Amino acid sequence: NAGVTQTPKFRVLKTGQSMTLLCAQDMNHEYMYWYRQDPGMGLRLIHYSVGEGTTAKGEVPDGYNVSRLKKQNFLLGLESAAPSQTSVYFCASSRTISGANVLTFGAGSRLTVL
Amino acid sequence: RKEVEQDPGPFNVPEGATVAFNCTYSNSASQSFFWYRQDCRKEPKLLMSVYSSGNEDGRFTAQLNRASQYISLLIRDSKLSDSATYLCVVTGNNDMRFGAGTRLTVKP
Repeated sequence: NAGVTQTPKFRVLKTGQSMTLLCAQDMNHEYMYWYRQDPGMGLRLIHYSVGEGTTAKGEVPDGYNVSRLKKQNFLLGLESAAPSQTSVYFCASSRTISGANVLTFGAGSRLTVL
Repeated sequence: RKEVEQDPGPFNVPEGATVAFNCTYSNSASQSFFWYRQDCRKEPKLLMSVYSSGNEDGRFTAQLNRASQYISLLIRDSKLSDSATYLCVVTGNNDMRFGAGTRLTVKP
């Protein structure tokens, strides 16, 4: 099993450009998440999804949009990239959203906005 | 105050040493607790869950103190391969918060 796969792994954007990060999981997990990780800040939840066709805002949703058209895929979009969105983005999935749940992470996507 | 706080370190210890990290959390209603390990430029991976009664997994011991609202991770007989950042995770009702991590370097 591949687990959670993120593409692309690296991307450099100019301010104002748009892009989409793709997350795919093959574990039939209901729940999927997008986090960003910045030095000294820990992982912060951007958006999450509790099932196909549903999305919800996390801790830091501004400037991002998401879609979950298929259960296995969770897309993160930046409509107009800003330097403050330079970060490492991690996608994760889980069977449930409850506290007893374990997250499986993708390998990360490193985004630089100039 | 951050919801989940960890000493960022770095903790530099020799091989074979015992090292302990703490993680404090602010939400007294938190329900579940975990330690994740993250290697440099890699994704976080679950190290162990933290149970109310405390639990061990080989050289690793995790404990929970609900009264003082902290969890701890003890690593005995440190190995070079234990060098990583250790993230604590605290969950509540549909809410999961990560600490910023504690960096450990084990030296020969």
